[in-house]
Amino acid sequence: DQQVKQNSPSLSVQEGRISILNCDYTNSMFDYFLWYKKYPAEGPTFLISISSIKDKNEDGRFTVFLNKSAKHLSLHIVPSQPGDSAVYFCAAKGWNSGGYQKVTFGIGTKLQVIP
Amino acid sequence: NAGVTQTPKFRVLKTGQSMTLLCAQDMNHEYMYWYRQDPGMGLRLIHYSVGEGTTAKGEVPDGYNVSRLKKQNFLLGLESAAPSQTSVYFCASSYGGDNQPQHFGDGTRLSIL
Repeated sequence: DQQVKQNSPSLSVQEGRISILNCDYTNSMFDYFLWYKKYPAEGPTFLISISSIKDKNEDGRFTVFLNKSAKHLSLHIVPSQPGDSAVYFCAAKGWNSGGYQKVTFGIGTKLQVIP
Repeated sequence: NAGVTQTPKFRVLKTGQSMTLLCAQDMNHEYMYWYRQDPGMGLRLIHYSVGEGTTAKGEVPDGYNVSRLKKQNFLLGLESAAPSQTSVYFCASSYGGDNQPQHFGDGTRLSIL
């Protein structure tokens, strides 16, 4: 049972245009959300995050939007650059019964930015 | 500042062999984690540690053991490797406390024949 779903395995966007990566979650107890970026043969690197008490967080070209009622978040990249070509993982945090803030990852979306 | 370093980067084992994957971090992070990544699946947590001398099971702990004898190191052991353990293994670390992002190593690609 995937609690964090990234339904688009891949996305192609022209350089300079907007990239929109989507993520849906099912567990209403998640209270913090993150996006990680991964290049081939490297580990994921933290990109941007958002708390469940907010609906938007912006960092340069990257903006994350959260719609709690729809259990949906999205990552916008504007403008997209060829160096943004990578796999993007959505992740959600929630407290488990052991007092640990468990992180659940989606399967990732591969973004290709075409020059 | 190396961040999170995983050793080895690649390894091929035969079924039944044992091995240990080493993770080292130089950021003085309290928390450390071991994940596996398989095609079509997100990163799945194997074991984690919230401090030196502590370990706990994640969502897929069977067939693995871990130890955290020093704060900077987190070891993942396979006592008797099985083909189902063929995967890419990632180690991560983070500060304790709420909502701290994890810092990942570059992964270990492990094949079990």
